[in-house]
Amino acid sequence: AQTVTQSQPEMSVQEAETVTLSCTYDTSESDYYLFWYKQPPSRQMILVIRQEAYKQQNATENRFSVNFQKAAKSFSLKISDSQLGDAAMYFCAYRSFYMNYGGATNKLIFGTGTLLAVQP
Amino acid sequence: EPEVTQTPSHQVTQMGQEVILRCVPISNHLYFYWYRQILGQKVEFLVSFYNNEISEKSEIFDDQFSVERPDGSNFTLKIRSTKLEDSAMYFCATTLATNEKLFFGSGTQLSVL
Repeated sequence: AQTVTQSQPEMSVQEAETVTLSCTYDTSESDYYLFWYKQPPSRQMILVIRQEAYKQQNATENRFSVNFQKAAKSFSLKISDSQLGDAAMYFCAYRSFYMNYGGATNKLIFGTGTLLAVQP
Repeated sequence: EPEVTQTPSHQVTQMGQEVILRCVPISNHLYFYWYRQILGQKVEFLVSFYNNEISEKSEIFDDQFSVERPDGSNFTLKIRSTKLEDSAMYFCATTLATNEKLFFGSGTQLSVL
């Protein structure tokens, strides 16, 4: 079974600085997807970034980028120029590439989350 | 951006009572999911639903839980006889296709007393 581990329960960053959130995972599959989700105090889950394991290039979305190390099974999130609105819980998540019946699974396996505080 | 709507936002119930949590998916979405998050813990998959049947469910999703899409619009999660440990935030999520972005609702906070 796949597992996702986030070893940093809490992180803090100064506004305008850069912070990196860590995530490691365990899987025997060769193809899969990895995600970072943001959960602000409203508790809605917001997709930040997605990485396909078969792509060597690291995904980037504006100020958010990932460092995907497939051999090390590591998937860290870098937030550049941190803003107050970035303060939230961040979850790393894994999804298998291969689908079961009807291609209907989109089962995400989440880590325990990292609570990011942004200091003004 | 389109939204998944969940009602109610908060539900308080007595242990042993039945509750129904409702979700209105984005209109053209075909795949539906329930996840839950116990306070301070990770988000956990409960069930996936496609073509009017369950396609996958977790160990958490026992006989006390059921899902249906009774009128072709709402997607519901029913807990037949609630337990204290069912207290959690329940998230509905939907997508057009399984390799597309998954949209989450804002959640229903269920408190079982």
